[in-house]
Amino acid sequence: DTGVSQDPRHKITKRGQNVTFRCDPISEHNRLYWYRQTLGQGPEFLTYFQNEAQLEKSRLLSDRFSAERPKGSFSTLEIQRTEQGDSAMYLCASSLAVTGAYNEQFFGPGTRLTVL
Amino acid sequence: TQLLEQSPQFLSIQEGENLTVYCNSSSVFSSLQWYRQEPGEGPVLLVTVVTGGEVKKLKRLTFQFGDARKDSSLHITAAQPGDTGLYLCAGVQGAQKLVFGQGTRLTINP
Repeated sequence: DTGVSQDPRHKITKRGQNVTFRCDPISEHNRLYWYRQTLGQGPEFLTYFQNEAQLEKSRLLSDRFSAERPKGSFSTLEIQRTEQGDSAMYLCASSLAVTGAYNEQFFGPGTRLTVL
Repeated sequence: TQLLEQSPQFLSIQEGENLTVYCNSSSVFSSLQWYRQEPGEGPVLLVTVVTGGEVKKLKRLTFQFGDARKDSSLHITAAQPGDTGLYLCAGVQGAQKLVFGQGTRLTINP
């Protein structure tokens, strides 16, 4: 399977704990994105990387959130001191940067986080 | 603030009927993408429209991008139960991030 993969698929944690999610993009894609989706809503942008550089972060990404892409391949998203409001589906997507209007992003299956 | 408004949010129809889903914005997008999402899974890309007025067909699905590149529609002909799912439109801003609508949850009853 050469699509975007995410691990774990499900995570249940207690409030105040730290969690880390991993995303492996499509191998030739140089851009990687993180989105968050709550029930009944469309995904919301969190941050994106081009290669290993983090180029944009949403205001949704509080100080408790940090994302890395150390070698320009896989990425991790860490949430520190989780809160119940962090419960959501965390989606990763990747794309190949091309000149022009196209920016087709391909999504992984997501990590469903439940904070008790 | 939701930049993309989808309507209707929920739609339940009988197999064989036609339907149209709308995606509207006051903003201009460089391109717009339609996704379909199953429960517990990530969105799957259906189509990308780029040029104002562009029409693309994917079997029984027809996608149109508005002339001003602010709106789009998805038309399904002779809907089948397999078409059931959450349909999301997403506009590309700044050639990087996607801005999503809230989705249209479609149910096709046999």
